[in-house]
Amino acid sequence: DSGVTQTPKHLITATGQRVTLRCSPRSGDLSVYWYQQSLDQGLQFLIQYYNGEERAKGNILERFSAQQFPDLHSELNLSSLELGDSALYFCASSPLNRGRAFFGQGTRLTVV
Amino acid sequence: DQQVKQNSPSLSVQEGRISILNCDYTNSMFDYFLWYKKYPAEGPTFLISISSIKDKNEDGRFTVFLNKSAKHLSLHIVPSQPGDSAVYFCAARGSSNTGKLIFGQGTTLQVKP
Repeated sequence: DSGVTQTPKHLITATGQRVTLRCSPRSGDLSVYWYQQSLDQGLQFLIQYYNGEERAKGNILERFSAQQFPDLHSELNLSSLELGDSALYFCASSPLNRGRAFFGQGTRLTVV
Repeated sequence: DQQVKQNSPSLSVQEGRISILNCDYTNSMFDYFLWYKKYPAEGPTFLISISSIKDKNEDGRFTVFLNKSAKHLSLHIVPSQPGDSAVYFCAARGSSNTGKLIFGQGTTLQVKP
């Protein structure tokens, strides 16, 4: 158990819908990262928050957005969903802005 | 632009033998490299890392080698055990002020009893 909690574990939704994925980092970790893993692909970096502020952005679609709240949990919002958004979405956390990242178990999103 | 590449999608070895997983990168600004292991239905788990100022790091059965001139790193597992069967991801971190990791596509290791 990495200490990073992601909910829900599985999500099935229809095209055009909006979903919210939630991540609770390890206790005391200030950084939260979001990654997307599509079928047979490596993990693609989406976005990083550090202590509530956006720190780095990857190839995140404009339909996607994220935030980190004062209690340090984070949410990833995916809207106008398309079939190609079906993937595993991982959250990770680390104590500081840099350093070893600990991953949650992921949320498997299926868009039908 | 794939900055981190794992060219072998899969590898099969016999229990007790050495497993060698390879990773190539293109960005000379990467300053830290990590290996993660992933079992099905679980998130990636940190395995071992190496700073760009070193060429070798060892932790039990796992050793990572870094060849900066060749922009190549490898993970050696000796001896391999059936429980090592998993997907192994190589990842690299840039020297910018962020913990963002760039991952390879992964190599599926199967260790046969």
